[in-house]
Amino acid sequence: NAGVTQTPKFQVLKTGQSMTLQCAQDMNHNSMYWYRQDPGMGLRLIYYSASEGTTDKGEVPNGYNVSRLNKREFSLRLESAAPSQTSVYFCASSEEFYEKLFFGSGTQLSVL
Amino acid sequence: RKEVEQDPGPFNVPEGATVAFNCTYSNSASQSFFWYRQDCRKEPKLLMSVYSSGNEDGRFTAQLNRASQYISLLIRDSKLSDSATYLCVGPGGSYIPTFGRGTSLIVHP
Repeated sequence: NAGVTQTPKFQVLKTGQSMTLQCAQDMNHNSMYWYRQDPGMGLRLIYYSASEGTTDKGEVPNGYNVSRLNKREFSLRLESAAPSQTSVYFCASSEEFYEKLFFGSGTQLSVL
Repeated sequence: RKEVEQDPGPFNVPEGATVAFNCTYSNSASQSFFWYRQDCRKEPKLLMSVYSSGNEDGRFTAQLNRASQYISLLIRDSKLSDSATYLCVGPGGSYIPTFGRGTSLIVHP
């Protein structure tokens, strides 16, 4: 039972490049989330999907898009990466919205 | 004002000490909160859920104070392995799970 799996673990991009972070959960959870974590800022919610078929903006959505591909998968896309998007990204899921969160192991992204 | 706030610390305590952290929140309609533990460069992991009746799990006790709008985490008999960052979570706008910035705990011999 893998829980929440996110890929890649590390990525270096040049300014303006695009990429997609993948996240999948095998716990049959309804809700999924993308957070970013920056030093001194805690985790901030980028986008979330309360249930399959829905997505909503979180606290810091600018520069990102998401897709809830199916119940298991929730991807995060950076269309034109900027140095301000250098961060650690965490995907999480919960059985229902605003219940206990289970996290993936994170993606360290650097934008040069 | 941030919706969920914590003292960043660090709290530096000897083994065996009792230490408490508070987390204030602004959404007065909140019914449930969470404490997570995060080790350096790792993902957060759930430590405890906090409801109106509080919660206790071994050396860890969490309480909710609605009148003053804060939740607390008490750690008794601190161990070296308790050294970590402790994150509280409460509902922000649209009831999204909102993290405080975390409180750093260092337990020394």
